[in-house]
Amino acid sequence: KNQVEQSPQSLIILEGKNCTLQCNYTVSPFSNLRWYKQDTGRGPVSLTIMTFSENTKSNGRYTATLDADTKQSSLHITASQLSDSASYICVVSGLYTDKLIFGTGTRLQVFP
Amino acid sequence: DGGITQSPKYLFRKEGQNVTLSCEQNLNHDAMYWYRQDPGQGLRLIYYSQIVNDFQKGDIAEGYSVSREKKESFPLTVTSAQKNPTAFYLCASSIFQGSNTEAFFGQGTRLTVV
Repeated sequence: KNQVEQSPQSLIILEGKNCTLQCNYTVSPFSNLRWYKQDTGRGPVSLTIMTFSENTKSNGRYTATLDADTKQSSLHITASQLSDSASYICVVSGLYTDKLIFGTGTRLQVFP
Repeated sequence: DGGITQSPKYLFRKEGQNVTLSCEQNLNHDAMYWYRQDPGQGLRLIYYSQIVNDFQKGDIAEGYSVSREKKESFPLTVTSAQKNPTAFYLCASSIFQGSNTEAFFGQGTRLTVV
């Protein structure tokens, strides 16, 4: 069964600190993996997309990595800001399908 | 601007009443989806449609119904058969672009049944 698992479930850090969120998946054959940021009460917004041939991709203070062999991805947030407080969702797409597989998300809270 | 629009943002209904959530997109996307999100849980797929006049059940379709008469519209009806309808509902659309498939989300509808 295609699954996407994220850890930790929740995370609290102080403003200015770095953090790393994890995503493991079993979706096969694999097409791409996206990280979304979801503010409370809003729809998710895409941060990065990784295809099987990409290892690292950055978007400002967000850096995503992908290891297609071990089926693992991480999202690293550098110099966290209060506005980074949100849920971060890992979404995996399989080949030849529009269906998306969602992780349960990591709830990040950044405190001053 | 192209986008996906859900309405209303907040919806209150009495128990036992059916209610329909609207989702419209002008992105010319073929696929549309409805997800339910509960506190502390990930998004769960209710229904999805890959083409007009066709749709498939997701993981939690019981108590819900959909239609896809137009490419731009994918309304979701929460029926009285849904045991716990209070939740945050998200609509999404996507176009299959091989390795660049991306889903765009609406801003969600928070349904509260009293």
